[in-house]
Amino acid sequence: DQQVKQNSPSLSVQEGRISILNCDYTNSMFDYFLWYKKYPAEGPTFLISISSIKDKNEDGRFTVFLNKSAKHLSLHIVPSQPGDSAVYFCAASVSGNTGKLIFGQGTTLQVKP
Amino acid sequence: DAMVIQNPRYQVTQFGKPVTLSCSQTLNHNVMYWYQQKSSQAPKLLFHYYDKDFNNEADTPDNFQSRRPNTSFCFLDIRSPGLGDAAMYLCATSRDLAGGLEQFFGPGTRLTVL
Repeated sequence: DQQVKQNSPSLSVQEGRISILNCDYTNSMFDYFLWYKKYPAEGPTFLISISSIKDKNEDGRFTVFLNKSAKHLSLHIVPSQPGDSAVYFCAASVSGNTGKLIFGQGTTLQVKP
Repeated sequence: DAMVIQNPRYQVTQFGKPVTLSCSQTLNHNVMYWYQQKSSQAPKLLFHYYDKDFNNEADTPDNFQSRRPNTSFCFLDIRSPGLGDAAMYLCATSRDLAGGLEQFFGPGTRLTVL
């Protein structure tokens, strides 16, 4: 039973265009959502997060949107750069819990020059 | 630079031969986590330590144990590795136990079981 799903294993985008990575979840108890980026041979690094009391959080080129009614979140990267090519993981957690993160399977983003 | 270090980066063991993976942190974080990630799958939490308190996930096999002798170090022991235990093992830390707190990951140890 996968509580966090990233249904697109891969995404290819032209440099300068928008990248949109999607994530769906099933557990309505989740109230924090995080995006991690992973380069080959490195561990995941934190990118951006959003609390369930918000529907949008922006940090530079990265924006995360949360649609609680649809149990869906998305990460927008504008403009996309070749250095953004990596695996992106969506993760969710429940406040007041163990801090445990439930991860999606990841989406491999390739940004072409 | 404060960081999470994992050794070794690559570990090869034989079927049934015990193996220990190591994680250390310079962040002075209270919580240390161990995740298992199999190919093309989501990282899956095995257990975590909050200070010296150990918390096992319900579905973590008994074959997997952990030790945290001090704040900085945490070990993952696999008593009798099977072929199905071949995976990337990720260590992570966080300042405290709370939903939404960022976790800091090490580079991982890739375990091969022959």
